[in-house]
Amino acid sequence: AQTVTQSQPEMSVQEAETVTLSCTYDTSESDYYLFWYKQPPSRQMILVIRQEAYKQQNATENRFSVNFQKAAKSFSLKISDSQLGDAAMYFCAYRSVRGGSNYKLTFGKGTLLTVNP
Amino acid sequence: AAGVIQSPRHLIKEKRETATLKCYPIPRHDTVYWYQQGPGQDPQFLISFYEKMQSDKGSIPDRFSAQQFSDYHSELNMSSLELGDSALYFCASSLATGTGDEKLFFGSGTQLSVL
Repeated sequence: AQTVTQSQPEMSVQEAETVTLSCTYDTSESDYYLFWYKQPPSRQMILVIRQEAYKQQNATENRFSVNFQKAAKSFSLKISDSQLGDAAMYFCAYRSVRGGSNYKLTFGKGTLLTVNP
Repeated sequence: AAGVIQSPRHLIKEKRETATLKCYPIPRHDTVYWYQQGPGQDPQFLISFYEKMQSDKGSIPDRFSAQQFSDYHSELNMSSLELGDSALYFCASSLATGTGDEKLFFGSGTQLSVL
């Protein structure tokens, strides 16, 4: 079974600064997807960024980028120019590409990000 | 654009009562997933359906059952409710592509409180 580990229960960053959230995972599969989800106080689950394991190029979405190290099974999220609206719980998640039509997500425990004005 | 609709948004029940949570996927989506997120916890996969058939089962108690109907909406039935069932229940939907490239869309969740 796959596991996802987020070793930072809480992080804080100053507005306009950069912060990196860590995530490691364990799997025996060679092809899979990795995600970062944001859950603000509204508790809506919002997709931030997605990485396909067979792609070496790191995914980017505006101020959000990842550092994907497949051999090290590491998948960190970098938030640049942090904004107050970035404050939320961030979950790292893994999804296998095997399994027919079922692609359930396995989540880490989350990192609570605080953005200080 | 239409999103995943869950109802009700909030539900309060007493211990040993039953509850039914509903999920309406995005139109044309054929796959539904249910997740349970306890207070301060990460979401845990409960069960999923593809084309009205159960496709996978996670850590779902025997007191819970679910199904997907002909219009692809899904219901999660919870009986003999316990205090520990208090959680946010997410539904997510996707359109199966068979390539693993499908995108998952989450609803806003149903907050269940068992008193």
